[in-house]
Amino acid sequence: GAVVSQHPSRVICKSGTSVKIECRSLDFQATTMFWYRQFPKKSLMLMATSNEGSKATYEQGVEKDKFLINHASLTLSTLTVTSAHPEDSSFYICSATIGRAGGQPQHFGDGTRLSIL
Amino acid sequence: DAKTTQPPSMDCAEGRAANLPCNHSTISGNEYVYWYRQIHSQGPQYIIHGLKNNETNEMASLIITEDRKSSTLILPHATLRDTAVYYCIVRVLYPLYSGAGSYQLTFGKGTKLSVIP
Repeated sequence: GAVVSQHPSRVICKSGTSVKIECRSLDFQATTMFWYRQFPKKSLMLMATSNEGSKATYEQGVEKDKFLINHASLTLSTLTVTSAHPEDSSFYICSATIGRAGGQPQHFGDGTRLSIL
Repeated sequence: DAKTTQPPSMDCAEGRAANLPCNHSTISGNEYVYWYRQIHSQGPQYIIHGLKNNETNEMASLIITEDRKSSTLILPHATLRDTAVYYCIVRVLYPLYSGAGSYQLTFGKGTKLSVIP
């Protein structure tokens, strides 16, 4: 089945550091990828939608200059958390859909747990 | 997208069928019903989806009422590994090429299913 790989699975770094998270679709081409954030005991919150070759669309309240998204190919999207601070500590999850046909399910990566000290 | 209502938690004995209900009384004719689950500290896993007919795959069965206002996810023989938060999501079917944000999922609080030995 469709596999989405996310790397790294866990990051611990100092405040002010920029962190890049990769999301890859391993056995399919992902026209659209999504980035979510999940705080402890909360549900997933969509941060942004990324279409290959175009600018990402950010949800209200998500700073596009802080959370840089690049979707340069049909199999790779990256999320860079710039100048991370402790309040950015969270579980970041990406997902991807196959093609553009309606009704296609999203396939999720295993998430990246980001801890900012 | 239509709002869904799920019980916050359920218990199920190991080996028995787990029946997880979902109400989506405001669903419109072009919205699919999706089920995902999230095991602790992992990304969500796609289970099944349907439009109006009942669906079955190797993981589960999806029963959608004739008026489409509610559905039930059935795990026929629950195991301890099925302990997870189960999310029922309805999503508008956008036309092709409608751009970013067309296929996003909105996660509610889900049902925490505990399978008991």
